[in-house]
Amino acid sequence: EAGVAQSPRYKIIEKRQSVAFWCNPISGHATLYWYQQILGQGPKLLIQFQNNGVVDDSQLPKDRFSAERLKGVDSTLKIQPAKLEDSAVYLCASSLAGGGYTEAFFGQGTRLTVV
Amino acid sequence: TQLLEQSPQFLSIQEGENLTVYCNSSSVFSSLQWYRQEPGEGPVLLVTVVTGGEVKKLKRLTFQFGDARKDSSLHITAAQPGDTGLYLCAAPSGGSNYKLTFGKGTLLTVNP
Repeated sequence: EAGVAQSPRYKIIEKRQSVAFWCNPISGHATLYWYQQILGQGPKLLIQFQNNGVVDDSQLPKDRFSAERLKGVDSTLKIQPAKLEDSAVYLCASSLAGGGYTEAFFGQGTRLTVV
Repeated sequence: TQLLEQSPQFLSIQEGENLTVYCNSSSVFSSLQWYRQEPGEGPVLLVTVVTGGEVKKLKRLTFQFGDARKDSSLHITAAQPGDTGLYLCAAPSGGSNYKLTFGKGTLLTVNP
């Protein structure tokens, strides 16, 4: 079974530039998550989709971050414009359902460096 | 917002030693998960606990869910260098009990 695919693996941009990350979840998984993980810390949930609807985006900085999940499958996360503090690993995960009873499968993440 | 507090934040031990890490909250969990994350990889699920007082064993790892379902512990017996990683607890949070929230993790280093 193919896992969660993310691209790119690494990205370096200058502040105020824009960047986009792509995620392809495991086939059949209704729930998709985007997390931000700063070095040495646990993942922070940015946005959670159930199919193509948003379940929670309360911690998404909506003035600069946006995310969409087209047709309930692939998802993109965009940052525009980027700030230095956005440097982090962006993890995408998917699960059959939301909550804490089902396993969340993670991609390898995209490491973003803003200089 | 439900806060998951993990301790210790860092732990460095020698191969063969035993250790315990903790995950605590003031809120009651319907369930709790433990993940391990290795450098450059995403977290991988180790176990899900659901019932208060539940104990689950995974080889040298023993997971315990508190009777009141507010806390959990992970005990590793005879740690090995391969156990090195970031140990994260996660639980559903929010009014819908639907979103998965993580603690900040315990970074474990097992030295040969």
